[in-house]
Formats: sequence, C-alpha cells, structure tokens
Amino acid sequence: GEDVEQSLFLSVREGDSSVINCTYTDSSSTYLYWYKQEPGAGLQLLTYIFSNMDMKQDQRLTVLLNKKDKHLSLRIADTQTGDSAIYFCAEKPQAGTALIFGKGTTLSVSS
Amino acid sequence: ETGVTQTPRHLVMGMTNKKSLKCEQHLGHNAMYWYKQSAKKPLELMFVYSLEERVENNSVPSRFSPECPNSSHLFLHLHTLQPEDSALYLCASSQGDSALYEQYFGPGTRLTVT
Repeated sequence: GEDVEQSLFLSVREGDSSVINCTYTDSSSTYLYWYKQEPGAGLQLLTYIFSNMDMKQDQRLTVLLNKKDKHLSLRIADTQTGDSAIYFCAEKPQAGTALIFGKGTTLSVSS
Repeated sequence: ETGVTQTPRHLVMGMTNKKSLKCEQHLGHNAMYWYKQSAKKPLELMFVYSLEERVENNSVPSRFSPECPNSSHLFLHLHTLQPEDSALYLCASSQGDSALYEQYFGPGTRLTVT
C-alpha cells in the first residue's frame, strides 16, 4: 500500500530543536518532501531529498532519510514562533504523477 | 505569494447548487493539480492536467468536474455536492508533471456544503 504516517502534534519551546518524523511504505519512492502549511494558506515546499541521499541540510533545516527503515525526519534548529504550522511529509512513488501525503504534524512553538 | 491564485477563498453552497472554483497560475507552468484537504485526513490528489490534458483522475465522483482551458487556468465545477465534500480545495502547478518539478500551491478555497 501507499501510506505516509506522521505523528499529529509536536509542542516545543522557542529556541529548542524540533524533530518531526515520518514513515512511508513505498520503497520505490524517488523523492521525499516536506511541506509547510501556515494557517489560512496553501502548502509551501520547504525542502526535498532524493532517495539516494541520506541527509540534506538547508540553513536551520536538516532532513535525514533512512531508506532501509523507510523513515524520514525534519529537524528545525532554533525553533521560532513563526515556525508554528502544519508540516506535511510526502513521497513521490516511481509510478504515476501523484504525491502521497501524510496527515500532517501540527508544530506548536511556545515562547 | 506563490504565483498561484485561487478564487473564491471561501464558499458556502447548498447541496443543489452549482458553483465553480477557479485557479490561475502566473508561473508559466505546464502541469496543474486539484487536491482535497479534509480535517484529519491526508491530502488527496483529485486531478492532474499536463499541457491541458487530464493525465490523472483519482476515482473522484462525477459531481466534481475539472476543466483546463489553457495551461494557466484550471477550474473545478461543482454540482449536487454532499456535506462530506466540505473541505479545503487546493490548486497547485509545476513546470512538468514528473517528480523533478516542485509543486507550487495556491491558498485554497474553503468549501462548506450545507
């Protein structure tokens, strides 16, 4: 099957690191993505990783991919209140054009 | 601003109404998408258009009818909807329809069916 699983909520304090986890099932997935959705807005692509990589860093964001366990994580360093949003993990299977999304993790950052 | 606009932003309609959602992209992209976002469910792909041809239809009920008159515009025509169709409908576009291309999303239309 094609399922992407994420925990629904994460709460952190400002300045701490946030780690959002995701598991997927399709081992043929070529790309894996993290999208951010702020209240009242559409999805914004934060970062993506190609399936032959195991880590990608982009400023405060670090993506780790464990292809053996089909586990993807997004680490946000020095989390700010502006990072409060819903974060969606998505995979792109080799077949078809569709992205398969998880249900999203709501990140709440308190000051 | 992502370069993808959607109108209206909010829509309330009765089950017997007919309405249309509009999406416009100003990015010169060739592929456009409709997604449905319901509370506590994963984002669901509904339709994909590439170069104005429908390339994917994910078993969407016929009460949803897409139209892509040109590569910049995408419509979703709605008729005789059900209350469970209430959701946020997101439009996206990308340069092509393969995984190589990032999808840019619009802000969505919040649809409530009464």
